[in-house]
Amino acid sequence: DAKTTQPTSMDCAEGRAANLPCNHSTISGNEYVYWYRQIHSQGPQYIIHGLKNNETNEMASLIITEDRKSSTLILPHATLRDTAVYYCIVRFPAGGTSYGKLTFGQGTILTVHP
Amino acid sequence: DTGVSQDPRHKITKRGQNVTFRCDPISEHNRLYWYRQTLGQGPEFLTYFQNEAQLEKSRLLSDRFSAERPKGSFSTLEIQRTEQGDSAMYLCASSLGQRDFAKHTYNEQFFGPGTRLTVL
Repeated sequence: DAKTTQPTSMDCAEGRAANLPCNHSTISGNEYVYWYRQIHSQGPQYIIHGLKNNETNEMASLIITEDRKSSTLILPHATLRDTAVYYCIVRFPAGGTSYGKLTFGQGTILTVHP
Repeated sequence: DTGVSQDPRHKITKRGQNVTFRCDPISEHNRLYWYRQTLGQGPEFLTYFQNEAQLEKSRLLSDRFSAERPKGSFSTLEIQRTEQGDSAMYLCASSLGQRDFAKHTYNEQFFGPGTRLTVL
């Protein structure tokens, strides 16, 4: 799985958009970009994933650059409950001999302030 | 609660003792994963089961560690002769393993709350 680089920490004001960047310059053509988050003392939680196109769900939006070497997770209206560690993970689909294990980095600590 | 459950949530033990953790995945999830997380780090993969078969083990899983999933449902992770370096959060995750043809991926992993182990 390709390596990812994320800022160690970020701050965001409550109600504003939180934009979390991730660099994955060695991503290969078949690898997907996944985002998970981990709120203190809980297990990681899946947020969103994508391959080439931008994706949106009820939690967030994922913007992937055209060359796929970087992406941005957007929380459109951050709340205090979004304070967590956010992990960007690049991996192959979990099929065949790829069992879908996740390789976590250190992630970005997002702190949402009142 | 239909999520992944883990028991116990916390375990304190003395060095050299054996400990066993249990994970109950979401029912009908045939894939089960164990991860370990130390303070300030992201989770690290330990092992993976598809139904009752253990198909992959990380090099982190020394011979003191053993995991089972005897009937393809719940799983146990045992650590023998615990060491202080084993102190960590042990996380279990499960997934359905069914292909999403629209997304060309498999169902995502749902994590349990973890078992925090402290070895004194």
